[in-house]
Amino acid sequence: DTGVSQNPRHKITKRGQNVTFRCDPISEHNRLYWYRQTLGQGPEFLTYFQNEAQLEKSRLLSDRFSAERPKGSFSTLEIQRTEQGDSAMYLCASSPGTDPSYEQYFGPGTRLTVT
Amino acid sequence: LAKTTQPISMDSYEGQEVNITCSHNNIATNDYITWYQQFPSQGPRFIIQGYKTKVTNEVASLFIPADRKSSTLSLPRVSLSDTAVYYCLVFKAGANNLFFGTGTRLTVIP
Repeated sequence: DTGVSQNPRHKITKRGQNVTFRCDPISEHNRLYWYRQTLGQGPEFLTYFQNEAQLEKSRLLSDRFSAERPKGSFSTLEIQRTEQGDSAMYLCASSPGTDPSYEQYFGPGTRLTVT
Repeated sequence: LAKTTQPISMDSYEGQEVNITCSHNNIATNDYITWYQQFPSQGPRFIIQGYKTKVTNEVASLFIPADRKSSTLSLPRVSLSDTAVYYCLVFKAGANNLFFGTGTRLTVIP
């Protein structure tokens, strides 16, 4: 399977714990995006990378959130001191181009539940 | 980002053509229109994209009138597997992210 993969698919954690998600984009896609989706809503943009550089972060991305993309390949999204409001589906997408006119390929998401 | 308005939900019988209209009154000259489909527990999937007039691919057609203040996604002969949420997005060339909105939940009935 050469699509975008995300791990884990599901994560249950207790409030206050740290969690880390991984995204493996399609090979050679230079753009990688993170989105968050809550029930009944569309995905909300969090941040994106052009190769290894993080070029934009949404105001939704509080100081507890950090994302990395070392070497411009896979990416990780870490949430520190999780809160119940962090419960959501976290989606990763990759794109071969340098702006949204290029199709974004989404992974299956990581569903986070904070208890 | 241009705001989009689309119906919250639609029902259709299997085999019918479905047209989902999206309103984007404040679309700018260099904005593009794109549609994504999302099944439950999956990430969105690109369907079609256009700038003006008509675009057709193997799964859908996109109609954009001359004033570009609206667009219509047309799905020919829908099947039960087309039951999903459909998102209309407008973005500026060179922008860095997509704004999805709440989408249209299409339910195909046998």
